[in-house]
Amino acid sequence: GDSVTQMEGPVTLSEEAFLTINCTYTATGYPSLFWYVQYPGEGLQLLLKATKADDKGSNKGFEATYRKETTSFHLEKGSVQVSDSAVYFCALSDSGGGADGLTFGKGTHLIIQP
Amino acid sequence: GAVVSQHPSWVICKSGTSVKIECRSLDFQATTMFWYRQFPKQSLMLMATSNEGSKATYEQGVEKDKFLINHASLTLSTLTVTSAHPEDSSFYICSARDRQGAPNSPLHFGNGTRLTVT
Repeated sequence: GDSVTQMEGPVTLSEEAFLTINCTYTATGYPSLFWYVQYPGEGLQLLLKATKADDKGSNKGFEATYRKETTSFHLEKGSVQVSDSAVYFCALSDSGGGADGLTFGKGTHLIIQP
Repeated sequence: GAVVSQHPSWVICKSGTSVKIECRSLDFQATTMFWYRQFPKQSLMLMATSNEGSKATYEQGVEKDKFLINHASLTLSTLTVTSAHPEDSSFYICSARDRQGAPNSPLHFGNGTRLTVT
């Protein structure tokens, strides 16, 4: 079945540091890939997505590129801020995010220190 | 933006009792809602897909008689944990898609419900 593996947290960085959160996946079809973010006390929000190989999703300074050859969708940001502290979930949908639900990774807790 | 309201945000109940969790789409209609469960340090796991006006579709290994799902309207789905036991303690979260959105449009998530069974 489908699965998503992402790096365990917590990840602690200083403000303005470079961020990478690794995410790899296994899927039977050609999935769409997503990063969701959960800020403290809030629900999950879509951060960015990519629907086909080599697509790059970007939002709020975060980027992730759909790498089919390495089955990866690593999340990156050049300069993190304290406000980026949250839990980040990598996810996939084999149906393009349609009627079926998502398969999530375990989540990575990111802590940014001033 | 689209808002999904989940209630209650946390609940403590005694073993053997039932607990109902509500998931409402506040400013859009959702023909499909999803229920997830998250154990500590584990992935969010899809439990079931809730379809308005029809029976829910449960994932393999999820007991349909224990986790009763009702999707009575286009804005409300409920999850009832029946005869709860301590092992049912978990974080439950719902999501919904705007029926007027594109097939690939993102899901909107509730804030989740922390259930503790004593």
